This record gives sequence, C-alpha cells and structure tokens, in this order.
Amino acid sequence: DTEVTQTPKHLVMGMTNKKSLKCEQHMGHRAMYWYKQKAKKPPELMFVYSYEKLSINESVPSRFSPECPNSSLLNLHLHALQPEDSALYLCASSPRRGGVQETQYFGPGTRLLVL
Amino acid sequence: AQTVTQSQPEMSVQEAETVTLSCTYDTSESNYYLFWYKQPPSRQMILVIRQEAYKQQNATENRFSVNFQKAAKSFSLKISDSQLGDTAMYFCAFRPHGQNFVFGPGTRLSVLP
Repeated sequence: DTEVTQTPKHLVMGMTNKKSLKCEQHMGHRAMYWYKQKAKKPPELMFVYSYEKLSINESVPSRFSPECPNSSLLNLHLHALQPEDSALYLCASSPRRGGVQETQYFGPGTRLLVL
Repeated sequence: AQTVTQSQPEMSVQEAETVTLSCTYDTSESNYYLFWYKQPPSRQMILVIRQEAYKQQNATENRFSVNFQKAAKSFSLKISDSQLGDTAMYFCAFRPHGQNFVFGPGTRLSVLP
C-alpha cells in the first residue's frame, strides 16, 4: 500500500481566514514533505519533516506553518494568505530522509484558492 | 547548481505507438537515483520508474523503460504501446545523495485516439 491521503481536496479561503491542510500516511514512513505546485510547473519543496522533526524550511513565509503531530500525520496551517498563494499543495512521504534510494510517494493534493 | 532539463515541453503520440521523452541532468555527484513521475489531469503524482545510478542495466516496468546514459547524464523514458491513460504531465527527477529531489520542468504528453 503506497497511499498518501490529503484533505480537503479543494479549499477556498479569504485573506483573513485561518485554515489547515491535512496529510496522512500509514506506510510507516518517517519522512514527510510539503510541496507547492503552480499550474504546469514542477513541485516546489516547502518543508521536510524527518522523524517528526522539521529538518528543512525552504524560506517559506511565516503565513505557512507546518506541524507533525505524529509519524503518520502532517498538517499545514494557513493564515493571512495572499492570492499568489493559490496553488496545488502536495504532501509526500518516503521511508526515511537521507540515502539516495528513498522514493517519495505523493498524495492527490489540495487545490487552494485564495480570494 | 544541480539541474534537470526536459527539452520537450509538449509531445503527442498516436495510441499504440511508441514515444520517448528526453531528460538530461547536471551534477557532480556520482551516487544518486533518477525517477520519472507521471501526473495525469486528475493531478496525483505517480511514480513510473526509477533507476539507480550505480546500475548499468536500464530499468523497465511493463510498457515503460528507460535509457540511462550516465556519462552523457541522460535519462530518457520510452513508453511502448501508448494508451489513452498515459496522457499526463511527466516529470523527470533526480535525488543526489543526502539531498532533496530536483525536478525537471515537465513534458506534457497527449495520447491521441
């Protein structure tokens, strides 16, 4: 089973709203990732969690706040977003981080629209 | 900087025909993995095939195979007997040792009936 699930599938929010994206995997993977993807572009890495600790933050604005409550769950808290933050947000996981053999498995994504 | 180039932004192929998507990369690393991911219009990114840089034998997965030329830093994907369900965006990616994925810009493939 190589399934990563994400909720919600779609989200529309105003610039003053607070919302959260959720990602879950039950494959025993110890590394989880958030990516942002604009239309017809490759994914851009935002955050990496390794063994439930934040290991990489790719200079993402503070209006995006990640959280890893346990090894199966990854959240992305959103606050005071801008219209340019509208995108597809992808979650991925891999058995662990580090080591060239690690393959990432992606979730279906959350399509976010900021008005 | 490590980069991945996919020189074909868009391609099309007739159903049942064979198509090859190109990918080149630039790295000074000797130990890394290469991947092809497929993202259909329904958007979920799916792993198609992967290749270990230290293996000379080209990887194959059913109708999908790669031509890995390490010296030329080339990693092309061949799709045989193309099917309508192969219509998707294809991303080439490589992962150097201990580092994050580097994705190419993608090739949009359309399979025509």
